[in-house]
Amino acid sequence: EAGVVQSPRYKIIEKKQPVAFWCNPISGHNTLYWYLQNLGQGPELLIRYENEEAVDDSQLPKDRFSAERLKGVDSTLKIQPAELGDSAVYLCASSSDRDTDTQYFGPGTRLTVL
Amino acid sequence: DQQVKQNSPSLSVQEGRISILNCDYTNSMFDYFLWYKKYPAEGPTFLISISSIKDKNEDGRFTVFLNKSAKHLSLHIVPSQPGDSAVYFCAAAPLETSGSRLTFGEGTQLTVNP
Repeated sequence: EAGVVQSPRYKIIEKKQPVAFWCNPISGHNTLYWYLQNLGQGPELLIRYENEEAVDDSQLPKDRFSAERLKGVDSTLKIQPAELGDSAVYLCASSSDRDTDTQYFGPGTRLTVL
Repeated sequence: DQQVKQNSPSLSVQEGRISILNCDYTNSMFDYFLWYKKYPAEGPTFLISISSIKDKNEDGRFTVFLNKSAKHLSLHIVPSQPGDSAVYFCAAAPLETSGSRLTFGEGTQLTVNP
């Protein structure tokens, strides 16, 4: 079974530029999460989707961050414009209805904003 | 406000000995706890969990202990192996969220020396 796929793995951009991250969850997993992980810290939830619906986006900075999960499968997280403080690893995770306890994480996208 | 705290950023243990990783939490609403393991350039991987109705859960070499009155949990790895070298994250959630709203600690880097 393929795991959670994320791309790109690494991204370097200049501040004020836009950037987008893509996530393909494990097949059949209805719940998808985006996390932010700063250096030396644990992951912090940005947004959680149940199918196409964003059911928990309270931690998403909506002035510059947006996300979508069209058709309830793949998801895209966008930052526009990026700031220096956005440099971090962005993790995507998914879980199934039968085992909501366990989240499966992708390898993450490491973003560097110069 | 760090609701889940791992006070030891690193731990070094000899192969074959016991590794004990500690985690403290402050939120009384947390009643479901998990440990994740993370290798470099990979996403976190679920290791073991425990709900507040138990004080111990065991899975092979891994045992998690929960002291609810002290708001403290620990992960014991016996015997430790070099392949266990990774960053270990403690995470917590209110049980009614079925683990979908995780709050992570900062992580502890475990190094198991041959």
